Amino acid sequence: AIQMTQSPSSLSASVGDRVTITCRTSQGIGNDLGWYQQKPGKAPKLLIYAASSLQSGVPSRFSGSGSGTDFTLTISSLQPEDFATYYCLHDYNYPLTFGPGTKVDIK
Amino acid sequence: EVQLVESGGGLVQPGGSLRLSCAVSGFTFSDHHMDWVRQAPGRGLEWLGRTKSKVRSYTTEYAASVKGRFTISRDDSKNSLYLQMNSLKTEDTAMYYCVRVTPVASRDALDLWGQGTMVTVSS
Repeated sequence: AIQMTQSPSSLSASVGDRVTITCRTSQGIGNDLGWYQQKPGKAPKLLIYAASSLQSGVPSRFSGSGSGTDFTLTISSLQPEDFATYYCLHDYNYPLTFGPGTKVDIK
Repeated sequence: EVQLVESGGGLVQPGGSLRLSCAVSGFTFSDHHMDWVRQAPGRGLEWLGRTKSKVRSYTTEYAASVKGRFTISRDDSKNSLYLQMNSLKTEDTAMYYCVRVTPVASRDALDLWGQGTMVTVSS
């Protein structure tokens, strides 16, 4: 199975900050990667698919990049509603695997 | 309204069985692959498995952690997804999510999630 790592595991940031989260896979997966946001007590929500495509309805301050083994989720200007945990997920082959998550909280 | 509603969670003893259901509405269920994902308390997300759509012969795929113990099935006539869980262990304690898979840009996106149903395995 493909192993996923995310960095950092947590970060503290202020409203308006630019935030970057990295996901790395144990083997190349092309651009078969998505990013998900989860708020406490809620189900996850799809933000980005195919590494860089923005899901309908997701604010444009979210962007994704990368291919192969290294991927990035960027929030260009952090908003109060963005404090959450973010997960990457590969869909290159089975089994799908999630990254361990990055918790973004208020500085 | 487009939604997924899980049910069937609860308290079960180790070694026991439980069947989760997911009722789907607002979209053509038969067109979509469907996944189960779980989250243990305070932990990250874990993909459990997938049932593919009829065009893919309802093929199933599983994570190693549940293969042989869990079975995913669907009934397109009832717009329902199921997760049969046998030989349950304490480490299966988690919130279980039903998830729609939608092909976008030739990729599979987990684009619609249910609210989850909690399973607690304890004596």
